Amino acid sequence: QVPLLQSGPEVKKPGSSVKVSCKASGDTFSRYIINWVRQAPGQGPEWMGKITPILDVSNYAPKFQDRVRITADKSTSTVYMELSSLRSEDTAFYYCTRGHYYDSWGQGTLVTVSS
Amino acid sequence: EIVLTQSPGTLSLSPGERATLSCRASQSVGSSSLAWYQQKPGQAPRLLIYAVSSRATGIPDRFSGSGAGADFTLTITRLDPEDFGVYYCHQYGSSPGTFGQGTKVEIK
Repeated sequence: QVPLLQSGPEVKKPGSSVKVSCKASGDTFSRYIINWVRQAPGQGPEWMGKITPILDVSNYAPKFQDRVRITADKSTSTVYMELSSLRSEDTAFYYCTRGHYYDSWGQGTLVTVSS
Repeated sequence: EIVLTQSPGTLSLSPGERATLSCRASQSVGSSSLAWYQQKPGQAPRLLIYAVSSRATGIPDRFSGSGAGADFTLTITRLDPEDFGVYYCHQYGSSPGTFGQGTKVEIK
């Protein structure tokens, strides 16, 4: 069983929003925090925020505080990351990861922002 | 936020050689909360080391981590051709967690 399974690639217009999903299997949803990390082409990863799914408590990096929302659906063990006011610089792979250090990563979702 | 600076930018070595990768933090990393990842093209990063020196599940013992405070090292003894890729350090002791810019390991 894959611990974290993400939704498919997205192409968005500048100014719009994107919502990426991450389905957690087994005990991952109940036992771990889930993070969202993004990686722009040729750059290092960048932490965006996290959620403790069983408590439904989220924390965000200051850089994304005004534009990102991370939520969890207990009925489907799925975590969502929504990023608004998209711009070209948001073009990147978006990963969900688990834990404080990331022992499991989703396969990544490419979000392309282009007019 | 804590800035992590990795050096060198690129390391070009032959199989069997030793690789030493450095990660320096702008301030002390709390609770030894320092991890290392390997990333190959088209793949998500893979956890190698956590808590400075603990190997993740399934990671060969040729990978080792060391350091304390603000200076950390990942050592790969006896490089294997499959060890090519980009290596990132990551501190998770202070929020926001941050990553270094990466060291690329090329196999000669």
